[in-house]
Amino acid sequence: DAKTTQPNSMESNEEEPVHLPCNHSTISGTDYIHWYRQLPSQGPEYVIHGLTSNVNNRMASLAIAEDRKSSTLILHRATLRDAAVYYCILRGAYSGAGSYQLTFGKGTKLSVIP
Amino acid sequence: DGGITQSPKYLFRKEGQNVTLSCEQNLNHDAMYWYRQDPGQGLRLIYYSQIVNDFQKGDIAEGYSVSREKKESFPLTVTSAQKNPTAFYLCASSEVDRGNSPLHFGNGTRLTVT
Repeated sequence: DAKTTQPNSMESNEEEPVHLPCNHSTISGTDYIHWYRQLPSQGPEYVIHGLTSNVNNRMASLAIAEDRKSSTLILHRATLRDAAVYYCILRGAYSGAGSYQLTFGKGTKLSVIP
Repeated sequence: DGGITQSPKYLFRKEGQNVTLSCEQNLNHDAMYWYRQDPGQGLRLIYYSQIVNDFQKGDIAEGYSVSREKKESFPLTVTSAQKNPTAFYLCASSEVDRGNSPLHFGNGTRLTVT
């Protein structure tokens, strides 16, 4: 079973910020939090990852709770091209940490309204 | 451009036949992964390889086989023992199999077995 929990779907208006939540209450101290997104009939695309501190890149921001049991992917201004399924997964810090940490749940389907 | 190439994009086979899906990467990544995705579902890990000549079973390895004879190639064979082989198959790689190493995905092969 996936070690993360996400809402099935969310909606956002175009050009407004979007906050996509992810719960990972059983995260270990060495697990990284990764986010990917997938368009229909394509492979997932890497978005961002982090360990403890908040992270920013050109695509998005990642806010990690102080206890690390939850995180939020922030899209600062949603566009129609951001409509996709967003996955939050955990990756162990060290190799051979176990395949469960590479499991993608169903993710959150984000719809963007023009 | 560096990336992962999966071929073919669509593949049709008769029940009882083995079929091999190709995955090639020119990113010089050590780790490679195979996932299966069914309609409306997340990704499930079939096999992964942390380094050449080594691979590990994922969550749903039964009915599948892999080889990793070259760093850039990680072919997946869907055998006749796989009960429900029709699915979307995704190959991924990462620099190393560690938490701070993002996954890079190919665009998938859609296999239909009748």
